[in-house]
Amino acid sequence: AQSVTQLGSHVSVSEGALVLLRCNYSSSVPPYLFWYVQYPNQGLQLLLKYTTGATLVKGINGFEAEFKKSETSFHLTKPSAHMSDAAEYFCAVRSSGGSYIPTFGRGTSLIVHP
Amino acid sequence: EAQVTQNPRYLITVTGKKLTVTCSQNMNHEYMSWYRQDPGLGLRQIYYSMNVEVTDKGDVPEGYKVSRKEKRNFPLILESPSPNQTSLYFCASSARQGGYEQYFGPGTRLTVT
Repeated sequence: AQSVTQLGSHVSVSEGALVLLRCNYSSSVPPYLFWYVQYPNQGLQLLLKYTTGATLVKGINGFEAEFKKSETSFHLTKPSAHMSDAAEYFCAVRSSGGSYIPTFGRGTSLIVHP
Repeated sequence: EAQVTQNPRYLITVTGKKLTVTCSQNMNHEYMSWYRQDPGLGLRQIYYSMNVEVTDKGDVPEGYKVSRKEKRNFPLILESPSPNQTSLYFCASSARQGGYEQYFGPGTRLTVT
C-alpha cells in the first residue's frame, strides 16, 4: 500500500523568503514521486518528478525537491518566493512495478505575502 | 497542442437528472482517470481506465459510471446525481513513459441542488 502525508494544509511566507513544503510517503517498493501545482481556477500541472537516478530533482519556476529514502520524504523547496507562486501544491506517489494508480496528498495551500 | 479537454466547465443541475461530463485527450495515452476535489480532502480517484474497454473503481466510485469505448474519450456519467456529488471534477491521462505522470483537464465544477 502507498500513502502520502503533506504536513500543513496552509503555508504562509513573505515574498523573497524560502519556500518549504513537506511531503512524506510510504511505499512498499521504490516509489515514483511527483509534485503538482494548481493555480486558482485551473487544473493541476506537473511541477517536477522523481523516477530514478539523481535524487535532487529540478522543476519549473525555480522549484526543486530531494528524494530522501531514509526519511521517506520528498520535500519541495524554492529559495525565493514570488507572489505568482501562490497556489495549491499536491504531492503524489506511485509504487514502481505496481499499480499505475497514484496516491495524492491532501494538498498544501501556499500563501505569499508582499 | 497536447491537452486534456473537459466539457462542460460549469454545470448546475437538480437531484436525479442524469448528466454526462465528457473528457478527451489528444496524446494517445493508454491511461485515463477521473478525480473529484473537495476542500480538505484533496484529490480522490473515482474511476480509472488502463485501455479501451478496461475500467476499474477508484476510491470513491459510488454514484458514478464510466465507459472507455475509444482511446481518446473517457466520459463520466452520473445516473442520478445527489447534492453530495457537488464537487470539482478533473479528468487526467497518462502514459507509461515518464513514470505515468498525469496530464489534467481544466476541471468541471458541478453543483447539484
